[in-house]
Amino acid sequence: GESVGLHLPTLSVQEGDNSIINCAYSNSASDYFIWYKQESGKGPQFIIDIRSNMDKRQGQRVTVLLNKTVKHLSLQIAATQPGDSAVYFCAEKHDFGNEKLTFGTGTRLTIIP
Amino acid sequence: DTEVTQTPKHLVMGMTNKKSLKCEQHMGHRAMYWYKQKAKKPPELMFVYSYEKLSINESVPSRFSPECPNSSLLNLHLHALQPEDSALYLCASSQGPSNQPQHFGDGTRLSIL
Repeated sequence: GESVGLHLPTLSVQEGDNSIINCAYSNSASDYFIWYKQESGKGPQFIIDIRSNMDKRQGQRVTVLLNKTVKHLSLQIAATQPGDSAVYFCAEKHDFGNEKLTFGTGTRLTIIP
Repeated sequence: DTEVTQTPKHLVMGMTNKKSLKCEQHMGHRAMYWYKQKAKKPPELMFVYSYEKLSINESVPSRFSPECPNSSLLNLHLHALQPEDSALYLCASSQGPSNQPQHFGDGTRLSIL
């Protein structure tokens, strides 16, 4: 069946270090993936997205890697800052024109000062 | 600040009340969404409107009634809710039925007494 899961529910990283958040998906038809950051009391905030015809995409301090062979997605955050502490969700969509987004369970990232 | 505005931010209502949640976006997006999010869980899709027409209803109970008066506004009418309906209700919008990110508001925290 279709599912989007995360390997770790929590992750603690020293400030200044790089962090990697992982996500597995099971639907080989998924063609679009998004990472969101959700801080306490706020809605999910778009971080970066990637289409299935790409393996890697970079933003400001963030990189998303997509491995379609093993159905794995990761979010790398460089030089983490206290403001990066939040819950991170991966989400996937399949079928161009289908607006339904399926979210993973989330990973809580804590930055240690 | 998010470009999707939701009101009210907090709502407490009894099980016999009727209330409405409101969502507004001025990004010219043609798809709008309602999600429900329980504590420590990912958002779950409820409804999708595409070009002001309901395109997805994820088998939501009829005590939740969505309405899209125009391309910028989305309402969720509530009636005879149950305590288990207490949650954060999130609105999102995207450019349309294509691989574009959904942008979320900060939600309405709903408590049912």
